[in-house]
Amino acid sequence: QLQLQETGPGLVKPSETLSLTCTVSGGSISSNIHYWGWIRQPPGKGLEYIGIIYYAGSTSYNPSLKSRVSMSVDTSKNQFSLKVPSVTAADTAVYYCARQSSSDAFDFWGQGTMVTVSS
Amino acid sequence: DIQLTQSPSFLSASVGDRVTITCRASQGISSYLAWYQQKTGKAPKLLIYAASTLQSGVPSRFSGSKSGTEFTLTISSLQPEDFATYYCQQLNSFGGGTKVEIK
Repeated sequence: QLQLQETGPGLVKPSETLSLTCTVSGGSISSNIHYWGWIRQPPGKGLEYIGIIYYAGSTSYNPSLKSRVSMSVDTSKNQFSLKVPSVTAADTAVYYCARQSSSDAFDFWGQGTMVTVSS
Repeated sequence: DIQLTQSPSFLSASVGDRVTITCRASQGISSYLAWYQQKTGKAPKLLIYAASTLQSGVPSRFSGSKSGTEFTLTISSLQPEDFATYYCQQLNSFGGGTKVEIK
């Protein structure tokens, strides 16, 4: 069974860079029919699509966040990562990583990791 | 950008009720719409993809349909474990969510 696990600091200071990694187990990230994505959810609010990455490195970001985020993939470690520079309190959220299927749906999700931006 | 408008944002229903949630897309560019269920403190769970295909393991009381740019999630007979928040998703957008609570 495919599993995804987010790791990273739970507390980030304003203006610093938020960095998260998603480790995939039970399957290969080098699938030619799947993308790998990040979604976030501020406390008490709805889901926000951040972006997706293909194992070969191509990316697609939410236009509203495009200038602020970057994603990368490390196939040797079966991991993909997210960076959000210059964070503010508005970036406080639960961050999920997930697998996107060929129908654009996210069919496997990590448990989520809470990231708080605060000094 | 696609905007997804879900309605209602909140509904109160009883066990056994038939429940319908609607998601309207601002543009009709894809039939690839998904529905998710999220319980408090948990990751979303995929229920339906490609508008009407039931994800493996999801009870058959859940169904989805499409008419033009309007998509519908129906729960034919609401069960106690169905009280949760439901989201639609298409491409890089999620709907605002529908919270289903016990009447």
